Amino acid sequence: GAVVSQHPSRVICKSGTSVKIECRSLDFQATTMFWYRQFPKQSLMLMATSNEGSKATYEQGVEKDKFLINHASLTLSTLTVTSAHPEDSSFYICSALDRVTDLPEQYFGPGTRLTVT
Amino acid sequence: GQNIDQPTEMTATEGAIVQINCTYQTSGFNGLFWYQQHAGEAPTFLSYNVLDGLEEKGRFSSFLSRSKGYSYLLLKELQMKDSASYLCAAMDSNYQLIWGAGTKLIIKP
Repeated sequence: GAVVSQHPSRVICKSGTSVKIECRSLDFQATTMFWYRQFPKQSLMLMATSNEGSKATYEQGVEKDKFLINHASLTLSTLTVTSAHPEDSSFYICSALDRVTDLPEQYFGPGTRLTVT
Repeated sequence: GQNIDQPTEMTATEGAIVQINCTYQTSGFNGLFWYQQHAGEAPTFLSYNVLDGLEEKGRFSSFLSRSKGYSYLLLKELQMKDSASYLCAAMDSNYQLIWGAGTKLIIKP
C-alpha cells in the first residue's frame, strides 16, 4: 500500500522557537494532504487541508499565522509551528489522499510527538 | 451539522466477539472508514464501506447502512493485541474525514 513518512518522529523545543514537520508521500502523488492534532485520550482533530500549489484551508479555531502549512510539491507538505508554547505540545499526524485509486483512502504518516518546554 | 457517535469504551474477553457501533451525520457521503489506533501511534486502516452491506476481512468485518447512518465493526476471535482504540470516520463530500471520538477496547484474558 501507499506509504507516508513524517519527520521528525519526536521533537523537543523551547518555548518561543519554531518547529518544522515534514510529511512525504513516498510512492504516490498526493494533491491533498491533511494535518491533524491529537491530544492524549482524544480523537484526531483536523487542523487544515493542504492542496498542492494553493493556500491551505484551516479549520475554525486554528491560527493560520501560527501553524504555517506549505504544500509545494505533489509529495511534500510541511507544517511549521511558530513561536511554540507548551500548550502546543501534542501528537501531530499528517495524511495524504490518493484519489487515483477507487478507494479514497487517507494514508497516515507515523506522527510527530512535539514537546514544548 | 456533522457528527459521529460511538461508545467511549468497551470490554471483551479473549477469544470472544465484539461489535462496535457507530452512527454518523455528514454533509455528503463518500464512505465510512474504521481505523485502529494503538497508544502513541498513528491510526491504521481497517476497513472501508461505501455501499450497504457487510464487508468481511479475516477476523474483522464492517457493516454499513446508509439509510440509517449506521455502521459497525465486528471483531471475532479476539486477541490481546486487539486492545486499542477503534476510530469510526465518515468521509464527506470534500473528502474530509469526520472523526468519532474513538472506542477504547479492553481485552481481558
